[in-house]
Amino acid sequence: AQKITQTQPGMFVQEKEAVTLDCTYDTSDPSYGLFWYKQPSSGEMIFLIYQGSYDQQNATEGRYSLNFQKARKSANLVISASQLGDSAMYFCAMREKGYSGAGSYQLTFGKGTKLSVIP
Amino acid sequence: DTEVTQTPKHLVMGMTNKKSLKCEQHMGHRAMYWYKQKAKKPPELMFVYSYEKLSINESVPSRFSPECPNSSLLNLHLHALQPEDSALYLCASSQGPGYGYTFGSGTRLTVV
Repeated sequence: AQKITQTQPGMFVQEKEAVTLDCTYDTSDPSYGLFWYKQPSSGEMIFLIYQGSYDQQNATEGRYSLNFQKARKSANLVISASQLGDSAMYFCAMREKGYSGAGSYQLTFGKGTKLSVIP
Repeated sequence: DTEVTQTPKHLVMGMTNKKSLKCEQHMGHRAMYWYKQKAKKPPELMFVYSYEKLSINESVPSRFSPECPNSSLLNLHLHALQPEDSALYLCASSQGPGYGYTFGSGTRLTVV
């Protein structure tokens, strides 16, 4: 069974509009973390936002916010005021199994959503 | 310095060649990773290093040999690769479980 599910292979959004990218996850570990990454066509993975399973508030970072619904096991990314530079692949990822020495941890990625921003 | 630097950016190698990928960070992170990403797929974990010691090997074939000579440097030695090993190889480091990975820009490897 997939641990991270991103059901939208591709999305289009008008410039300056808001967009929501969906992510659902599956884990029985009470302690986990959820991450969103952006990957432009150049290939680099850019960390956007993090939500811990015990965090009470939804995470926000500038134009990015994470809509965390724990009971539904969903962690949707909301991008406000889309810009042309937001066109990229977006991956949702999960950390579970705790972490080991040096704070290392494993990430499991979803299949990604390709976002295209239209002028 | 908040970067992870990977070299080379592109590499073409024959199936009998030996080559190495290099990854460097000076953020003081003691956890470093290698991921492999095939086209149009998500990254897949290959190796995890904690305090310069290999802590996780995700059943990677022995033709991939990682090395962590010091806390800033991570290498991936390649030998006798197959064409299906062609992919983007991403290095990353992390500060701790509540922080995202910092990824390098990757090495695009083509095996001919």
